[in-house]
Amino acid sequence: AQSVTQLGSHVSVSEGALVLLRCNYSSSVPPYLFWYVQYPNQGLQLLLKYTSAATLVKGINGFEAEFKKSETSFHLTKPSAHMSDAAEYFCAVSDRTGTASKLTFGTGTRLQVTL
Amino acid sequence: NAGVTQTPKFRILKIGQSMTLQCTQDMNHNYMYWYRQDPGMGLKLIYYSVGAGITDKGEVPNGYNVSRSTTEDFPLRLELAAPSQTSVYFCASRTTGNSYEQYFGPGTRLTVT
Repeated sequence: AQSVTQLGSHVSVSEGALVLLRCNYSSSVPPYLFWYVQYPNQGLQLLLKYTSAATLVKGINGFEAEFKKSETSFHLTKPSAHMSDAAEYFCAVSDRTGTASKLTFGTGTRLQVTL
Repeated sequence: NAGVTQTPKFRILKIGQSMTLQCTQDMNHNYMYWYRQDPGMGLKLIYYSVGAGITDKGEVPNGYNVSRSTTEDFPLRLELAAPSQTSVYFCASRTTGNSYEQYFGPGTRLTVT
């Protein structure tokens, strides 16, 4: 069984400040991990993914995440927040066993960016 | 490419009514998925399909049915709608191979009253 825990359902940062969204996972097999972003009234868009290559993964819009096996974490960061980053962010782990490789999602973190 | 499209965008149902949520992808993806999203709960998998003619239950299948007669289409059927089915429904697809990345549609917001 696999699971994802996102610490903090709401995070608020000032524009220009560091963004840090936390994700911890549990998986019985080496995981593939994903961060998705959801803007209001839209579907989910892939930000970045870890698929067992480099542990530091760079994504779109200046986001990056680091896979730390010892901490079972995959935290999402961005050095300087922009107003347009306000959205909900979901961490997900892939079930690489079985035929469908299903994704298990965390409960999401809503990022607010203030002036 | 349109990617993954879903219709309708919004729908209000009365308790006990039925409806079909449509999902179509034009990327020739074998795998397709239906999720529901409830506030503070993330996304829960309802049903999935690994190819035309093959479907299987996800985490929360009760009250729903699916079919997959073509690669492109994966409709979700609600029979006897209940207030607990008020949610936002997302369809997703992915190709075969090792990327495991899923592409999502824009969603259908369903209210059952």
